[in-house]
Amino acid sequence: ETGVTQTPRHLVMGMTNKKSLKCEQHLGHNAMYWYKQSAKKPLELMFVYSLEERVENNSVPSRFSPECPNSSHLFLHLHTLQPEDSALYLCASSQDRGDRVNTEAFFGQGTRLTVV
Amino acid sequence: RKEVEQDPGPFNVPEGATVAFNCTYSNSASQSFFWYRQDCRKEPKLLMSVYSSGNEDGRFTAQLNRASQYISLLIRDSKLSDSATYLCVVTHTGGFKTIFGAGTRLFVKA
Repeated sequence: ETGVTQTPRHLVMGMTNKKSLKCEQHLGHNAMYWYKQSAKKPLELMFVYSLEERVENNSVPSRFSPECPNSSHLFLHLHTLQPEDSALYLCASSQDRGDRVNTEAFFGQGTRLTVV
Repeated sequence: RKEVEQDPGPFNVPEGATVAFNCTYSNSASQSFFWYRQDCRKEPKLLMSVYSSGNEDGRFTAQLNRASQYISLLIRDSKLSDSATYLCVVTHTGGFKTIFGAGTRLFVKA
């Protein structure tokens, strides 16, 4: 069993659809992240949650809405997306040691999203 | 200027070669440094942390130069399986900021 599990692995959705991406971590970490990786572009940090509170939101459009019900689960709710939102969405987790410095992050396998 | 900069490559090297990657960062308050490896269409995976004193893991050596604000990765005796994209990662306080470099592509050929 992998430490960080994402579902679904692949998703095709229309621009008017609403869908959710799910992430679950089995590592006992207390911080979780959503990253976006578009083709030929570096990883972009979207959201950070630590102890279930949102710590950072890098000016992500409101059509992306995160939810963190507990320290093991993270969702990314999607609605009225655009074709340019097609990308690999990666979830990651790490352990906050209390000094607000990131430890190394462990990634899920990602959800490859295509918006048509 | 990007916060973390890497030469995108690609680096094309023969098996057995030694190859080195550098990465520069702009925030002097950066605290933690890592090298990740990402295979095509896969998630990034931690390769090694980078410590101030430098550290080695088998054929891989990582070094940090805080004065010049760069980190390096040296791969000795390259294997075909080392072909991947190597990502430089820098973190600093304040909102759990984690910055990934764009990555350096490495191709090791027989």
